[in-house]
Amino acid sequence: DTAVSQTPKYLVTQMGNDKSIKCEQNLGHDTMYWYKQDSKKFLKIMFSYNNKELIINETVPNRFSPKSPDKAHLNLHINSLELGDSAVYFCASSQDPGVNEKLFFGSGTQLSVL
Amino acid sequence: DAKTTQPTSMDCAEGRAANLPCNHSTISGNEYVYWYRQIHSQGPQYIIHGLKNNETNEMASLIITEDRKSSTLILPHATLRDTAVYYCIVSSGNTGKLIFGQGTTLQVKP
Repeated sequence: DTAVSQTPKYLVTQMGNDKSIKCEQNLGHDTMYWYKQDSKKFLKIMFSYNNKELIINETVPNRFSPKSPDKAHLNLHINSLELGDSAVYFCASSQDPGVNEKLFFGSGTQLSVL
Repeated sequence: DAKTTQPTSMDCAEGRAANLPCNHSTISGNEYVYWYRQIHSQGPQYIIHGLKNNETNEMASLIITEDRKSSTLILPHATLRDTAVYYCIVSSGNTGKLIFGQGTTLQVKP
């Protein structure tokens, strides 16, 4: 069983489109995250949710909207896609970041905006 | 959170120990040292973390100097599957907000 799974693995789309990336974790964790890895391979946090509540929002354009229907799921919706949104997006989860910062990452979604 | 400095790349022979250094001279008393790695086309993977004592788990050992200004991640018997980018991260935030630098690209060679 994959602990943190995200779909799709690859997403190719045109500028201006709206797309979603789904993430699910079966670890029973309370906190979930979205990280973005750009073309230079730098990984940066975008959002974190704890028990469906937004905790971190790292000055991400409001075209990006996370949605957490329950604590096992954190989806990422992106409106009006731009060329610069092309990147690999990683979902992650952790038990309790107040205890330690041991995160479990998914395998990533490679988004290509044409 | 304190910054870290790591060599850009390192090579290691298969079966030998891989010793990956990290400098974190501005680390403060409540900050932990975390190590993650990212194998090509995969998500980052947690390896180990520590505060001031040396730590060991099934994946690696972490040696932290007494002044806590530097640390070394040790993979005791490197295999080809250990080829990856290794990230040393210092954090006390307890928020899950990990700040990844460029890391060290470790190439394990046959």
